[in-house]
Amino acid sequence: EAGVAQSPRYKIIEKRQSVAFWCNPISGHATLYWYQQILGQGPKLLIQFQNNGVVDDSQLPKDRFSAERLKGVDSTLKIQPAKLEDSAVYLCASSLTSVARDNSPLHFGNGTRLTVT
Amino acid sequence: AQSVTQLDSQVPVFEEAPVELRCNYSSSVSVYLFWYVQYPNQGLQLLLKYLSGSTLVKGINGFEAEFNKSQTSFHLRKPSVHISDTAEYFCAVSLTGNQFYFGTGTSLTVIP
Repeated sequence: EAGVAQSPRYKIIEKRQSVAFWCNPISGHATLYWYQQILGQGPKLLIQFQNNGVVDDSQLPKDRFSAERLKGVDSTLKIQPAKLEDSAVYLCASSLTSVARDNSPLHFGNGTRLTVT
Repeated sequence: AQSVTQLDSQVPVFEEAPVELRCNYSSSVSVYLFWYVQYPNQGLQLLLKYLSGSTLVKGINGFEAEFNKSQTSFHLRKPSVHISDTAEYFCAVSLTGNQFYFGTGTSLTVIP
């Protein structure tokens, strides 16, 4: 099966500019996650979708970050305006269901490496 | 709140030697436990998971982990490492619902 697709792979922007990332999950996966991974740290959940609804966005800096999954498939994550501390790898993941006890682990994309200068 | 502690940020080990990567978690409720591996410039891949049943879990690439409820640990082990095992390893916990919490990672370097 095709994996989780993310684009772009790399992005360099100046602070205060805006940027958008795109994610196409594995076909049929209902749950989609966006994680932020700062260098030397573990992934931190930004937002979780179940189909096209938001399940958890408690750690999303909503003053500058937004995400949508309008048709319950693809998703975009936007940062506007970007700050230096937003430099990180943004990982998209999907799973078949939202329940961890099922045999449906997270499948990760290769990520988008964002550098804010 | 849930937290995951990976006690060692870097672990160097010689090729064909055994290795243990430590993971402890804190939770007031039942959790599910995972180990993921991340190779350079790639996303995370699932190594193994503990959902229920036997506390010794076997995963891919010869890795295994043991769930110890009394010590709230889920250490990852491999009896003989290869150069190709050099990567970043993340322990993660998930609540009964679906939130995943990751540790800060352990960088495993296999020395020839």
